[in-house]
Amino acid sequence: AQSVTQLGSHVSVSEGALVLLRCNYSSSVPPYLFWYVQYPNQGLQLLLKYTSAATLVKGINGFEAEFKKSETSFHLTKPSAHMSDAAEYFCAVSDFYNQGGKLIFGQGTELSVKP
Amino acid sequence: NAGVTQTPKFQVLKTGQSMTLQCAQDMNHEYMSWYRQDPGMGLRLIHYSVGAGITDQGEVPNGYNVSRSTTEDFPLRLLSAAPSQTSVYFCASRGQGVTDTQYFGPGTRLTVL
Repeated sequence: AQSVTQLGSHVSVSEGALVLLRCNYSSSVPPYLFWYVQYPNQGLQLLLKYTSAATLVKGINGFEAEFKKSETSFHLTKPSAHMSDAAEYFCAVSDFYNQGGKLIFGQGTELSVKP
Repeated sequence: NAGVTQTPKFQVLKTGQSMTLQCAQDMNHEYMSWYRQDPGMGLRLIHYSVGAGITDQGEVPNGYNVSRSTTEDFPLRLLSAAPSQTSVYFCASRGQGVTDTQYFGPGTRLTVL
């Protein structure tokens, strides 16, 4: 069975600092991986996805993530945090053999950005 | 395109009441799904549909029913609400490919007293 673990339910950074949100996955088959962002009182919006092409994936709003098979990781980074990045971030893996390819989500990481 | 729309945005029910959460999409997506979001648990799949007339259970289906009579609509029914169903509910849709982007609605915040 596939699963996702996000390390750290809360991460706080200063504006302009590096953002690093950690995601590790477990999968017996090559995974498809996603990062979503949720702003307060809104639905989820796709930031980026890995679909077995380039291991370094660039997304919206300056975010990127690198797929590392040896570490079973898909960490999300942004070189310089902005106040508008404050939100909850979810890592997800697609279980494409089951339930129509449902998304399996991690627990989420809330990012705070201090001025 | 409106994308994925959900109504209502907020709802308060008493234990034992029934209601339907509405979901519609205008992207002609075949795959639609319902998730619930609870603190510290991420999102969990309730039911999903791979096309009109086809539905199936997700990981937490108990207490919920769905139907898919058209491509556009995918309502979620609570037959007899319980306090354990207090949650935020999200509807999502995507194309047929498992790597296609899944688009989420704005959510319905449900409280069961």
